[in-house]
Amino acid sequence: QVTLKESGPGILQPSQTLSLTCTFSGFSLSTYGMGVGWIRQPSGKGLEWLANIWWDDDKYYNPSLKNRLTISKDTSNNQAFLKITNVDTADTATYYCARAYVAYYYVMDAWGQGASVTVSS
Amino acid sequence: DIQLTQSPASLSASPDEIVTITCQASQDIGSSLLWYQQKPGKSPQLLIYSATILADGVPSRFSGSRSGTQYSLKISRLQVEDIGTYYCLQVSSSPHTFGAGTKLELK
Repeated sequence: QVTLKESGPGILQPSQTLSLTCTFSGFSLSTYGMGVGWIRQPSGKGLEWLANIWWDDDKYYNPSLKNRLTISKDTSNNQAFLKITNVDTADTATYYCARAYVAYYYVMDAWGQGASVTVSS
Repeated sequence: DIQLTQSPASLSASPDEIVTITCQASQDIGSSLLWYQQKPGKSPQLLIYSATILADGVPSRFSGSRSGTQYSLKISRLQVEDIGTYYCLQVSSSPHTFGAGTKLELK
């Protein structure tokens, strides 16, 4: 059974760095074709894809966040991480991590429950 | 970036009705499209991947189709538990992009 769980600071102030952790089980980021993606959703709004990291450490980012994103992984501890620098109120959202894998198809199937992040002074 | 134009934005339907939601891609994405259902306060659940393949455990009343760059999600007989917001996602290229969502309500 694949499970993912996000954790984060809950609240932070503008200009700080947001650090999020995705702890997962049921798959390994050392397995060929496996990856983890980060997606966010402001309250009452739609979904925005942020970044993916793959088993081979390949990384992809949403350029709309203008180089503020850094994704990384700790394969030994089944964790993936996302950092967003210089946050402002527009970064207030629920942040999800999701398993991604590519075989013949690209699938992003299991999602975590989400971590709520509020940016406020 | 590839844009996904999802329609309608909202939809009201009765149980047992047929419901169709569409996503129009701004360029060729092949079959690299997924559909999700999201219920209030919950994370999205995968329904369809590769445009037409039903995800494990998803009821067979859900189906996906493709015609060129237009993608459709069909619910053959709407059930009460199908109420929620539906999103399409293209994974053909980076950045991946979501449609704006379709809020499905019960009439």
